[in-house]
Amino acid sequence: DAKTTQPPSMDCAEGRAANLPCNHSTISGNEYVYWYRQIHSQGPQYIIHGLKNNETNEMASLIITEDRKSSTLILPHATLRDTAVYYCIVTAPQTGANNLFFGTGTRLTVIP
Amino acid sequence: NAGVTQTPKFQVLKTGQSMTLQCAQDMNHEYMSWYRQDPGMGLRLIHYSVGAGITDQGEVPNGYNVSRSTTEDFPLRLLSAAPSQTSVYFCASSRTVHSNQPQHFGDGTRLSIL
Repeated sequence: DAKTTQPPSMDCAEGRAANLPCNHSTISGNEYVYWYRQIHSQGPQYIIHGLKNNETNEMASLIITEDRKSSTLILPHATLRDTAVYYCIVTAPQTGANNLFFGTGTRLTVIP
Repeated sequence: NAGVTQTPKFQVLKTGQSMTLQCAQDMNHEYMSWYRQDPGMGLRLIHYSVGAGITDQGEVPNGYNVSRSTTEDFPLRLLSAAPSQTSVYFCASSRTVHSNQPQHFGDGTRLSIL
């Protein structure tokens, strides 16, 4: 699976949009981009995923560049409860294990 | 919405004891897996199952056993606990093994081995 690079930390003012970048320059054509987050002491929470097209759900939007080498997770109106570590993961179809590689992620702090 | 339920939430064991960590999901998911998370490290895959009756090893299977007799349940057994198994254990499930299916995680079991 392709590796990802994320900034170690970011701050965002409450109520503003949080834009979290991720580089995955070695991504293959069949690899999906996933975003999860982990709020302190809880299990990882699925946020959104995509292959080529931009995606939006009730939690966030995912913008994938045309060459698929990078993506941005957008939380449109950050709240204090969005403070967490955010993980960008790329994963390809597997015949065996769907092993998610959680790197170090981006620690997002939402500031009142 | 129960999702993925793990019990117990916390456990302290003595070296050499055995125990079973429970994981249940109510989403009729085929794929289930166990990860461990150590401080400052990412999640590492212990065992996984692509369906009832089928299990296989992940990256770090030594010292652990699993079984999958039903679609809903995927227990993880520690055979003889060692201090190196002190960790937070997460169970996850997804509709299928394919990477276009998101995995959903439980809230974890925090295990300390003395």
